[in-house]
Amino acid sequence: DVKVTQSSRYLVKRTGEKVFLECVQDMDHENMFWYRQDPGLGLRLIYFSYDVKMKEKGDIPEGYSVSREKKERFSLILESASTNQTSMYLCASSFELGANEKLFFGSGTQLSVL
Amino acid sequence: SQQGEEDPQALSIQEGENATMNCSYKTSINNLQWYRQNSGRGLVHLILIRSNEREKHSGRLRVTLDTSKKSSSLLITASRAADTASYFCATLDNYGQNFVFGPGTRLSVLP
Repeated sequence: DVKVTQSSRYLVKRTGEKVFLECVQDMDHENMFWYRQDPGLGLRLIYFSYDVKMKEKGDIPEGYSVSREKKERFSLILESASTNQTSMYLCASSFELGANEKLFFGSGTQLSVL
Repeated sequence: SQQGEEDPQALSIQEGENATMNCSYKTSINNLQWYRQNSGRGLVHLILIRSNEREKHSGRLRVTLDTSKKSSSLLITASRAADTASYFCATLDNYGQNFVFGPGTRLSVLP
């Protein structure tokens, strides 16, 4: 089974801190994604990557950046955390892009910015 | 723009009853997927139905697709307390590249 591992289940940070969320997948998937999930809004795509060192903006990239130095690892960076970035962050991966591909998700990181 | 929209937002039933959740979407699709999320966890893929399929079964799950109405439904038969979770439908965005999820249906199955 594919395993997508997010480094932290819960994080508490202060406003203005730089925050790193790490995600690792073990199935040699090409594509990796970062979503945030807020009540009533569903999942919204922040960034995705279809190859090492490649990244594409999703629907809500403002305030975030990403890094993909190795195929298995995709990091989400909050350069200067703000309270409106308090959310559940979900990492996902897939073998290819396209309608027939299913996403494999990590367990999520609940981030609180105080 | 949001592609999938689930209905109802929340559903509460007794164990053993059937649960039906609906999903509406806006543009044409190649397929539609359903995912499940236990509280505080990531999403897990349940089932994929292609645009040329009308119905698909997987264990106690039955998914239907009506492309003329741009809607899908997920039926869970003989529900169990362990089915308590949020359920999401997902379709590709307008660029055909990334999945768009609706806000989900929160299902509570009471013992």
